[in-house]
Amino acid sequence: SQKIEQNSEALNIQEGKTATLTCNYTNYSPAYLQWYRQDPGRGPVFLLLIRENEKEKRKERLKVTFDTTLKQSLFHITASQPADSATYLCALDGGYSSASKIIFGSGTRLSIRP
Amino acid sequence: DTAVSQTPKYLVTQMGNDKSIKCEQNLGHDTMYWYKQDSKKFLKIMFSYNNKELIINETVPNRFSPKSPDKAHLNLHINSLELGDSAVYFCASSQWQSNQPQHFGDGTRLSIL
Repeated sequence: SQKIEQNSEALNIQEGKTATLTCNYTNYSPAYLQWYRQDPGRGPVFLLLIRENEKEKRKERLKVTFDTTLKQSLFHITASQPADSATYLCALDGGYSSASKIIFGSGTRLSIRP
Repeated sequence: DTAVSQTPKYLVTQMGNDKSIKCEQNLGHDTMYWYKQDSKKFLKIMFSYNNKELIINETVPNRFSPKSPDKAHLNLHINSLELGDSAVYFCASSQWQSNQPQHFGDGTRLSIL
């Protein structure tokens, strides 16, 4: 069965450092991979989408990589700030064949300490 | 100017009761979803509607019945509530294309006593 794993349940790093979150998947060939941010008591908010034929995508301090051979995506936040503290979810999108169904990972709770 | 709004935000009720959660989106999207997020934070899709038509129906007990009166609304009715139904339920919407982001409401926390 399809499986998504975000390798760390929680990640605690020092302000100013680069945070790197990992998303691994098995038994799936996603056409797209999305990353979301979720704050306590709120719904997930979309951050970035990367296509299967893209190696890397950037948006301000965020960078996402997608390796379909390793079946892995890395999510980086450079120059991290306490305001970046949240849970980050990766999500796999199989394309039209999946009837727009997206499969979410369980998330990594990121804490940035001042 | 809330994009996806769902009510109520909190729902505390007794086992065996019937309850409804309402969701509305003003983004002009044609696809709406219901997700369940359990205590381990897994976000699992329950239903998806496109233009009021049911597209995805995961293995959800038939005590759960979604209703979409129009493209902008997707309500969730739950009969005979059980303890295991306690969770946060999220409504979301998107355009009907696989590379479109989903926009989520802030969730309804359902607690069964």
